[in-house]
Amino acid sequence: DTGVSQDPRHKITKRGQNVTFRCDPISEHNRLYWYRQTLGQGPEFLTYFQNEAQLEKSRLLSDRFSAERPKGSFSTLEIQRTEQGDSAMYLCASSQAGGSHNEQFFGPGTRLTVL
Amino acid sequence: LAKTTQPISMDSYEGQEVNITCSHNNIATNDYITWYQQFPSQGPRFIIQGYKTKVTNEVASLFIPADRKSSTLSLPRVSLSDTAVYYCLVAASGTYKYIFGTGTRLKVLA
Repeated sequence: DTGVSQDPRHKITKRGQNVTFRCDPISEHNRLYWYRQTLGQGPEFLTYFQNEAQLEKSRLLSDRFSAERPKGSFSTLEIQRTEQGDSAMYLCASSQAGGSHNEQFFGPGTRLTVL
Repeated sequence: LAKTTQPISMDSYEGQEVNITCSHNNIATNDYITWYQQFPSQGPRFIIQGYKTKVTNEVASLFIPADRKSSTLSLPRVSLSDTAVYYCLVAASGTYKYIFGTGTRLKVLA
């Protein structure tokens, strides 16, 4: 399967702990996006990478959130000092250079539960 | 930033045509309109994209009027497996902050 993969699929953590999620985009895609989705809502944009450069960050991405894409391939999203309000599905998507930014391919998501 | 508005939910019966309209009054000149489908516990999946007039692929059609302030996704002859949430997406002008609409929950009944 050469689609977008995310790991882990589920994460349960206690408030105050740090968590890290990984996203592996489709191999030839140089654009990578992170979204957050809560129950009953549409995905909310968090951040965007083109290759290893983080070109856009949402105000939703507070100081406790950091994302990296060190070699322009996989990406990680870290949440420090988790809060119950961080409980959500975290979605990663990728797209190909030269195409419309809207042609994004999504992974299955990582569902985070903060107790 | 371009914002979209869609009906919250719709019901239909198998075999019917379903039309879901999205309003995007502040769409920018270079923005494209894209529709995604999402099943529970899965990431959204691309359905169709267009800029103006009409676009058709193997699963849907997209109608966009001349003023581009709205668009209509048309699903021909829906089946039970089309039960999902459908999102209208407009690229935010000048940035990469893609804004999904509230989504329309389509329920297809037997």
